[in-house]
Amino acid sequence: SYELTQPPSVSVSPGQTASITCSGDKLGNNYAYWYQQKPGQSPVLVIYQDSKRPSGIPERFSGSNSGNTATLTISGTQAMDEADYYCQAWDTSTAGVFGGGTKVTVL
Amino acid sequence: EVQLVESGGGLVQPGGSLRLSCTASGFTFSDHYMDWVRQAPGKGLEWVGRSRYKANSYTTENAASVKGRFTISRDESKNSLYLQMNSLKTEDTAVYYCARGPGYYDFWSGYSFWGQGTLVTVSS
Repeated sequence: SYELTQPPSVSVSPGQTASITCSGDKLGNNYAYWYQQKPGQSPVLVIYQDSKRPSGIPERFSGSNSGNTATLTISGTQAMDEADYYCQAWDTSTAGVFGGGTKVTVL
Repeated sequence: EVQLVESGGGLVQPGGSLRLSCTASGFTFSDHYMDWVRQAPGKGLEWVGRSRYKANSYTTENAASVKGRFTISRDESKNSLYLQMNSLKTEDTAVYYCARGPGYYDFWSGYSFWGQGTLVTVSS
């Protein structure tokens, strides 16, 4: 079965840039998606189709996807960005595969 | 405004059954895949299964971990998605979310909307 691998945690200082990676075999051949989940809340889509932002998502969130790795970048990280982030990909045989999640801590 | 409201969670004994519902509003229900995603306490997101859109005859598929035990269906007249869970195991304990998936006109839009989730606890 298809697997997506994320680092368990990332720490970042306020105002700095956080980068979260998501690795999967030939992931760049599929679209990557990213979701933010804060404690006690439902996930929220922050990046779709590798690099597009849904309406209402701040410009500091950006994404890329190439080769075997997709990356979510949070520029000028704010305290409100502290959350768990999950990558996700689809292909016709594996449907909605999620990465294990990355906890972003803003120190 | 798009809304997804789950219901039907609760406490059930191992081996028991439960049916979850997800009522949708604010969009054309028949034009979207509808998926179930679960999250065990303190764990990550796990895809459970899906009901494709009407153009694909609402066909379904399930994750290997629930195949043969869980069944997904939908009632177009009620804009509702269902998850029938049988032979429940303790490891099925989780918050269950319904999520709006690919659309017929925007297939690659991702899980753009989620419900609030409903907690299923499997315990004796």
